Amino acid sequence: DTAVSQTPKYLVTQMGNDKSIKCEQNLGHDTMYWYKQDSKKFLKIMFSYNNKELIINETVPNRFSPKSPDKAHLNLHINSLELGDSAVYFCASSQDLLQGDLGYTFGSGTRLTVV
Amino acid sequence: GNSVTQMEGPVTLSEEAFLTINCTYTATGYPSLFWYVQYPGEGLQLLLKATKADDKGSNKGFEATYRKETTSFHLEKGSVQVSDSAVYFCALRRNARQLTFGSGTQLTVLP
Repeated sequence: DTAVSQTPKYLVTQMGNDKSIKCEQNLGHDTMYWYKQDSKKFLKIMFSYNNKELIINETVPNRFSPKSPDKAHLNLHINSLELGDSAVYFCASSQDLLQGDLGYTFGSGTRLTVV
Repeated sequence: GNSVTQMEGPVTLSEEAFLTINCTYTATGYPSLFWYVQYPGEGLQLLLKATKADDKGSNKGFEATYRKETTSFHLEKGSVQVSDSAVYFCALRRNARQLTFGSGTQLTVLP
């Protein structure tokens, strides 16, 4: 199936640990994103990559580091996890605007719980 | 900067009631406007969109019209169903890359 897929779907870990979330899209899109959704459902962009190049890097602790090995993958690594990192993290992708604005395709989310 | 303001939720309606979720935006130029829906435990799905003034986006009985003069993109549905219960996000896209979302509106439809 064509989609944006994230793994894992759920992640429970202790404070201080390091963890990674993986994202892959097989839609042929040029741009990928990471969003964080808090407990009130508010969505905040964290990072955006276009063809493996970082183009958006919002005010995010440097414990968060995105990695894009190719334009179909955008992984998120988090060092020294804190309680406040608990949230749902969404990966998304979009096609270049020159092809028309079709919005984003989202993954199903990774629910991170730090205990 | 760009911003989106949605009506605060939660919104609770009876089945077959009329739905309006207000959305206004602030942006320079002519952004593209979107409504996304998030069903429980799932990611966001594009519901409808409009890319220029006076365009009407529609899908699954939902409609929204791009109003440049009032900078609005209100979501409407004539008769909601229990299966429409979800969180609805208004969003705009002004530059080449980034979607800016509103805060989301939780809709609950009771049978």
